[in-house]
Amino acid sequence: SAVISQKPSRDICQRGTSLTIQCQVDSQVTMMFWYRQQPGQSLTLIATANQGSEATYESGFVIDKFPISRPNLTFSTLTVSNMSPEDSSIYLCSVGSGRADTQYFGPGTRLTVL
Amino acid sequence: GNSVTQMEGPVTLSEEAFLTINCTYTATGYPSLFWYVQYPGEGLQLLLKATKADDKGSNKGFEATYRKETTSFHLEKGSVQVSDSAVYFCALLHSTAGRRALTFGSGTRLQVQP
Repeated sequence: SAVISQKPSRDICQRGTSLTIQCQVDSQVTMMFWYRQQPGQSLTLIATANQGSEATYESGFVIDKFPISRPNLTFSTLTVSNMSPEDSSIYLCSVGSGRADTQYFGPGTRLTVL
Repeated sequence: GNSVTQMEGPVTLSEEAFLTINCTYTATGYPSLFWYVQYPGEGLQLLLKATKADDKGSNKGFEATYRKETTSFHLEKGSVQVSDSAVYFCALLHSTAGRRALTFGSGTRLQVQP
């Protein structure tokens, strides 16, 4: 399985500001995904980020709020824009295996918005 | 649409007890099924998977069998340890039009007491 790292591991931010989360993979992957895990809740897919194309957002998530970059096959960023306390969550990136039948997750970024 | 239903937790067991965590799903077609585990303060780890009916996934003493007739993927372990205390997520992967999105259950917290 791929080794996935995320930066930062945690952050505390003020409302109205933005935070960019980085996801780095140790091998080239076609599909990368961003998920949100709100406190005590399950995971919800935010968007799928494939290199060379625009990210595909799930219902309830929009590009203006969660812009995503995917400049190459080993890296992606998710920005949480104009944050409010409701954005306090763990944000996780994941990558698909060769056939994308299995997804492996990064350690997550724990975000607290005051 | 796709959905996953897990038994509510927390599930509290004594060490060496038998574990069952129920998971049922709703999906069109033939999804792949997964169990992920989240240990305290850590990210999500793949525990086991099954990609077609009657497949049995197994890892670290845990097992789950893909039952198409009952649309279930119950997680079992014959003898739990304190180190198994974690949150367990059942998930399905459905591929449509090039998207491969994981749908997660709500998670079941397992607490194993010595």
